[in-house]
Amino acid sequence: AQKVTQAQTEISVVEKEDVTLDCVYETRDTTYYLFWYKQPPSGELVFLIRRNSFDEQNEISGRYSWNFQKSTSSFNFTITASQVVDSAVYFCALSEDTNAGKSTFGDGTTLTVKP
Amino acid sequence: DTEVTQTPKHLVMGMTNKKSLKCEQHMGHRAMYWYKQKAKKPPELMFVYSYEKLSINESVPSRFSPECPNSSLLNLHLHALQPEDSALYLCASSLGTSGTRHFGPGTRLTVL
Repeated sequence: AQKVTQAQTEISVVEKEDVTLDCVYETRDTTYYLFWYKQPPSGELVFLIRRNSFDEQNEISGRYSWNFQKSTSSFNFTITASQVVDSAVYFCALSEDTNAGKSTFGDGTTLTVKP
Repeated sequence: DTEVTQTPKHLVMGMTNKKSLKCEQHMGHRAMYWYKQKAKKPPELMFVYSYEKLSINESVPSRFSPECPNSSLLNLHLHALQPEDSALYLCASSLGTSGTRHFGPGTRLTVL
């Protein structure tokens, strides 16, 4: 069975601080996909990144970076120099190749960035 | 066109009403999804359509009835809903069922 744990329910930082959102997953599949989505107060889920299980390369996109470590089953997300517009709920999700169609979402981390 | 659209944005209905939610995408995606999301919770999968056929029904009550008229459209027909069905209903699509879900803006449903 697949499971995603986002242990941090809420995080509050001051603008320009760096912040890391944790994601730990469980799966028995060797082929799987990990995702991060952002949900601002408007409600729409915005796709941020997709990583497959065979690609452990870390990724940087502007102020965003992701650290994928299979050894610890983690896929953490760091925002550098946070901004007020980063305030949102962030979801980590997992899709198994053998369970295609059923993505499992973590409970989400609510990030508040204060000016 | 790289977005998923949903109508209406907001819907208020009584328990005896019949209404429909609509979702459309023109990205050539062959998988489409309905999710339900309650406040401060993650999205919960309801239905998955793959190549216009229902492939997953997550034991959703029959008062929710999905329909996929063609590869670009997905409907959710609502009948005799309960107040606890009030939620944000999200539609999503992906190239295949392992692909990245692209979500629409959602329909915020209130059942009185």
